[in-house]
Amino acid sequence: DIQMTQSPSSLSASVGDRVTITCRASESIGNYLNWYQQKPGQAPNLLMYDASTLQTGVPWRISGSGSGTDFSLTISSLQPEDFATYYCQQTYSTPYTFGQGTKLEIK
Amino acid sequence: QVQLVQSGAEVKKPGSSVKVSCKASGGIFSIYSLSWVRQAPGQGLEWMGAIIPSFNTTSYAPKFQGRLTIAADESTASAYMQLSSLGSDDTAVYYCARRPGATDWYFDLWGRGTLVTVSS
Repeated sequence: DIQMTQSPSSLSASVGDRVTITCRASESIGNYLNWYQQKPGQAPNLLMYDASTLQTGVPWRISGSGSGTDFSLTISSLQPEDFATYYCQQTYSTPYTFGQGTKLEIK
Repeated sequence: QVQLVQSGAEVKKPGSSVKVSCKASGGIFSIYSLSWVRQAPGQGLEWMGAIIPSFNTTSYAPKFQGRLTIAADESTASAYMQLSSLGSDDTAVYYCARRPGATDWYFDLWGRGTLVTVSS
């Protein structure tokens, strides 16, 4: 199985801050990397696919980059609705594995 | 607009089986593949397996091989996940998630989740 490692596991930030979450794959996955946001009691919501393609309706302050084994998700100016848990996922090969999650909290 | 509607919460005894359904409502079964993902309380997301309804082909994570069955019925726009030999560590919210097309390698639509509690 491909292991996905996110860092940090948790992050405290303020509204307006710029934050970056990283995700590392245990082997090369090309750009088969997705990012999801999950709020308490809700299903995950797709933010980014193919490493850097913004899902329809997702605000442009969110961006993604990377290929191979190293990826990142950046939120350029945090808004109150961005405080949530973020997961990366590889779909290069089954089983499609997720990172352990990054919980973004308000400072 | 298509939604994935899942069946209700279940409470099961250890050693028993659970069957969770996922129905596409509000539109045609515009799904290339449907996956099942679970989330134990306070934990992360775990992909369990998937089905491509049009080909009736399935793929299972090795961890669940032998006790997970995924099926679909295109005529009713529904899919099912059955997990057997339940243990307390199977207590989780189970989600169905859509992969919309053959060249789309992401899950863009999720059900709201079904809580399965395994308890004696």
